[in-house]
Amino acid sequence: DAGVIQSPRHEVTEMGQEVTLRCKPISGHNSLFWYRQTMMRGLELLIYFNNNVPIDDSGMPEDRFSAKMPNASFSTLKIQPSEPRDSAVYFCASSSPRDRGLAYEQYFGPGTRLTVT
Amino acid sequence: AQSVTQPDIHITVSEGASLELRCNYSYGATPYLFWYVQSPGQGLQLLLKYFSGDTLVQGIKGFEAEFKRSQSSFNLRKPSVHWSDAAEYFCAVAYTGGFKTIFGAGTRLFVKA
Repeated sequence: DAGVIQSPRHEVTEMGQEVTLRCKPISGHNSLFWYRQTMMRGLELLIYFNNNVPIDDSGMPEDRFSAKMPNASFSTLKIQPSEPRDSAVYFCASSSPRDRGLAYEQYFGPGTRLTVT
Repeated sequence: AQSVTQPDIHITVSEGASLELRCNYSYGATPYLFWYVQSPGQGLQLLLKYFSGDTLVQGIKGFEAEFKRSQSSFNLRKPSVHWSDAAEYFCAVAYTGGFKTIFGAGTRLFVKA
């Protein structure tokens, strides 16, 4: 299995620009999570989906952030407009259906390091 | 509220010495418990998990953890640390019927020669 795939691995952009981060979960997994990690705030859950439906987006910091999951194999996290304080590493993770023994374990992608100047 | 506490922000041990990383959780029922490791520049990787049964669980890379219900703890141990174990370690908890996993703040492990 290829694991969770994220792209790009690094993104450098200027303040005010739109940024789109992409994630392909592990095949067969039906839950997907977006996290943000910074030195100051640690690992924060932004939003999670189950069966492509957003379940809880209470961690999304502002309306500038949006996430979609149009199908079971793809999700995006968009920031528009971006600000320097959005600089962080963004992780995507997926997990398998609850009726399987391996549910609740999350498998993380390598992350996207975002720098907004 | 559900929470996970890792009381040590960082720990330094000598190579070859034993290691114990502490984790406490708050919740009434038995949770699902995990330890993840994050090496620099990488995502989190599952080290081990506890769902039920034997309270001492074995994981990858020679790690083990013990669930103690009376102390609401799930401490991670390794008898002999290697330099390659230097990383950040996260304790996490999930609950039946929920989707979220709650992560602790992490403990950064430094290994000295």
